Amino acid sequence: AQTVTQSQPEMSVQEAETVTLSCTYDTSESDYYLFWYKQPPSRQMILVIRQEAYKQQNATENRFSVNFQKAAKSFSLKISDSQLGDAAMYFCAYRSNNNDMRFGAGTRLTVKP
Amino acid sequence: DTGVSQNPRHKITKRGQNVTFRCDPISEHNRLYWYRQTLGQGPEFLTYFQNEAQLEKSRLLSDRFSAERPKGSFSTLEIQRTEQGDSAMYLCASSWGRRQETQYFGPGTRLLVL
Repeated sequence: AQTVTQSQPEMSVQEAETVTLSCTYDTSESDYYLFWYKQPPSRQMILVIRQEAYKQQNATENRFSVNFQKAAKSFSLKISDSQLGDAAMYFCAYRSNNNDMRFGAGTRLTVKP
Repeated sequence: DTGVSQNPRHKITKRGQNVTFRCDPISEHNRLYWYRQTLGQGPEFLTYFQNEAQLEKSRLLSDRFSAERPKGSFSTLEIQRTEQGDSAMYLCASSWGRRQETQYFGPGTRLLVL
């Protein structure tokens, strides 16, 4: 069974600085998708960034980028120029072609002004 | 595009009562998913529909839980004879496209069973 592990329950970053959130996963499949979702307090889950496993190039969305290491089964999220609005729970998720999406336990990011 | 909506947003019920939640997906999305999220954890998959067909159910979905999507649009999730362990956030998501890559989530229904 596929599992997703986020080893950092909490992270903190100074405003305008860079932070990296870690995620590892376990799978025997070769074709799958990886996601980072953001869940602000009492608000809904928002997609941050998505990576297709067959693409070698790391996905980038404005200040958010990933470091996808397929062989190591690692999928970290880098947030550059952190803003106060980035404070939230961040969930790493894995989805295979059978549509079963698995989430990690989350990392709570605090942004200090 | 109004996004995925869920009603009610909050529900408090007594143990043993039945509750029903509704999810309205994004209009052109043909797949609809239900998840459960407990405090401090990531969402756990419960079930999903493609149009009106329920294609997969998790072992988490006990026989007290039933989900429907009768016309392939909105969906309902019913919990019968609620237990305190059912207290959680119930999330709905929808997706579309050939590979159904990305799921878009609703705000969730927070259930508290007393």
